[in-house]
Amino acid sequence: DTGVSQDPRHKITKRGQNVTFRCDPISEHNRLYWYRQTLGQGPEFLTYFQNEAQLEKSRLLSDRFSAERPKGSFSTLEIQRTEQGDSAMYLCASSPPYSGGEADTQYFGPGTRLTVL
Amino acid sequence: DQQVKQNSPSLSVQEGRISILNCDYTNSMFDYFLWYKKYPAEGPTFLISISSIKDKNEDGRFTVFLNKSAKHLSLHIVPSQPGDSAVYFCAASEVPRRGGADGLTFGKGTHLIIQP
Repeated sequence: DTGVSQDPRHKITKRGQNVTFRCDPISEHNRLYWYRQTLGQGPEFLTYFQNEAQLEKSRLLSDRFSAERPKGSFSTLEIQRTEQGDSAMYLCASSPPYSGGEADTQYFGPGTRLTVL
Repeated sequence: DQQVKQNSPSLSVQEGRISILNCDYTNSMFDYFLWYKKYPAEGPTFLISISSIKDKNEDGRFTVFLNKSAKHLSLHIVPSQPGDSAVYFCAASEVPRRGGADGLTFGKGTHLIIQP
């Protein structure tokens, strides 16, 4: 399967703990996005990478959140000192190199569901 | 403020009939629109998209219509099938900057239920 993969699929943690999620994009896609989705809402954009460079960060990405994509392939999203409000589905998406003109479609992974107790 | 609005949280349609899902937007800088389908415990799956230079795009049973002056788009599914039961999200993006740096802005979704 060559789709976007995410690990783990589910994570339960206690308030105050740190968690890290991994995303592996489609192999030829150099653009990678993180989103967060809470119950009853659509996905909300968190951050964007083009290759290894983090080019865009939403105001939703507080100081406790950090994302990396060190070699321009997989990416990690870390949440430090988790809070109950961090409970959500964390989605990763990727898209191919920008070819100019209209935007390209983003392809999503299955998500990581985080529950903070 | 919500820039992409899906005002119907749910929609029930009989199998074989047409399903019409609506979406409104407020940001005039949006120029690319997408529809995603989502099953529980899965990520969104891309369905169909449309650029602002077009007013219609068709792919099999799915057609998206865009009315730029009204800032409105709709997704038509004909004929509706039981497997179409899912949550449908409308999403939008602005013209990509810096080689495609824009995250998508999503609506809250419409839960489509296809009844046999």
